[in-house]
Amino acid sequence: QQQVKQSPQSLIVQKGGISIINCAYENTAFDYFPWYQQFPGKGPALLIAIRPDVSEKKEGRFTISFNKSAKQFSLHIMDSQPGDSATYFCAASTIGNQFYFGTGTSLTVIP
Amino acid sequence: DTAVSQTPKYLVTQMGNDKSIKCEQNLGHDTMYWYKQDSKKFLKIMFSYNNKELIINETVPNRFSPKSPDKAHLNLHINSLELGDSAVYFCASSHSGTNEKLFFGSGTQLSVL
Repeated sequence: QQQVKQSPQSLIVQKGGISIINCAYENTAFDYFPWYQQFPGKGPALLIAIRPDVSEKKEGRFTISFNKSAKQFSLHIMDSQPGDSATYFCAASTIGNQFYFGTGTSLTVIP
Repeated sequence: DTAVSQTPKYLVTQMGNDKSIKCEQNLGHDTMYWYKQDSKKFLKIMFSYNNKELIINETVPNRFSPKSPDKAHLNLHINSLELGDSAVYFCASSHSGTNEKLFFGSGTQLSVL
């Protein structure tokens, strides 16, 4: 059973555009929602994260929007750049350090 | 300094062989993990150790056996390798009790021929 559902599977965006990746979860025990960025040949690296007590968190061009009632959260990449081309994973975790990952979104930013 | 390091980076072997992947972290974390990433990029937890004790053991064939000699090391031994074991294996670590910031190694690409 997939604990965290992620869409789309792949995304192509023009340079300067906005990239949006969506995730949904069911388990209300989750209390930490990170996004990871993975480049080819590398391990995933933490990009940005949010806790459910806030609805939005912004770090530079990256923003997480969180909707607790809908049990959904999304990553917005503003002014997308070719260097942002990577695979993005949403995740959710509980206080017991059990992390559940989405299925990943392959983002390609076209120059 | 590499925070989570795993070796080897690439591992090519024949079916039926036994192989090991080593992982070390210098972050002072007390929880370490092994994840498997298949060809579709899906990341699946295999094992989790906290202070050398197994706390998560997902449905993984018993050919896979993790070993944690101390809280900075978590090795993965695989017996009787099968074609379906081909994947990228990632070691990761975190602080327990905070459920934050999972740090990943750079992965071991295992190819079983």
